[in-house]
Amino acid sequence: DTGVSQDPRHKITKRGQNVTFRCDPISEHNRLYWYRQTLGQGPEFLTYFQNEAQLEKSRLLSDRFSAERPKGSFSTLEIQRTEQGDSAMYLCASSPPRDEQFFGPGTRLTVL
Amino acid sequence: DQQVKQNSPSLSVQEGRISILNCDYTNSMFDYFLWYKKYPAEGPTFLISISSIKDKNEDGRFTVFLNKSAKHLSLHIVPSQPGDSAVYFCAASVHSNYQLIWGAGTKLIIKP
Repeated sequence: DTGVSQDPRHKITKRGQNVTFRCDPISEHNRLYWYRQTLGQGPEFLTYFQNEAQLEKSRLLSDRFSAERPKGSFSTLEIQRTEQGDSAMYLCASSPPRDEQFFGPGTRLTVL
Repeated sequence: DQQVKQNSPSLSVQEGRISILNCDYTNSMFDYFLWYKKYPAEGPTFLISISSIKDKNEDGRFTVFLNKSAKHLSLHIVPSQPGDSAVYFCAASVHSNYQLIWGAGTKLIIKP
């Protein structure tokens, strides 16, 4: 498999629960990004890793959100105490050291 | 403040004709621009990019034009094919940065 994969593809949870998403980037890419997309909008940047280092976090990423990339390969995005406003598509992308980013299929989160 | 704007939510074009999708930006620091295509239930797929040192880049049926003085870029698809029906996103970045700033997308419908 040469693409970016994300798991799960869909997640339905109740308000207040914690959820965790996984992203497996293209293996030779050292950069990994998380975005959030809501209906009718383009993706919004959340955070960025270069290898295992998290180099930037958007102010959109509240304290309830945490992302890790422990060995510089796969990454996880955790949302604690989910709120209905967290319902969105969460996209992961990876890239080599240039700007062209390759996206996974996304995880659609629905918070009831 | 929306730094990248796609003012047409949708566009309908006859098969075989030219499709022209437009994008405007406000941040004069942007120096790298990309177009992505997105099908339902999939992540965005990279189409074509252009650096601010160029005013045109062509790849097969796809051509991107950049007018820096007008802060405007456009994507031309010719000839349009039914498989081109998708949502098209314009994105921009400052080359030394990693963040892509996205427009809201234009839904392109190719009529047979």
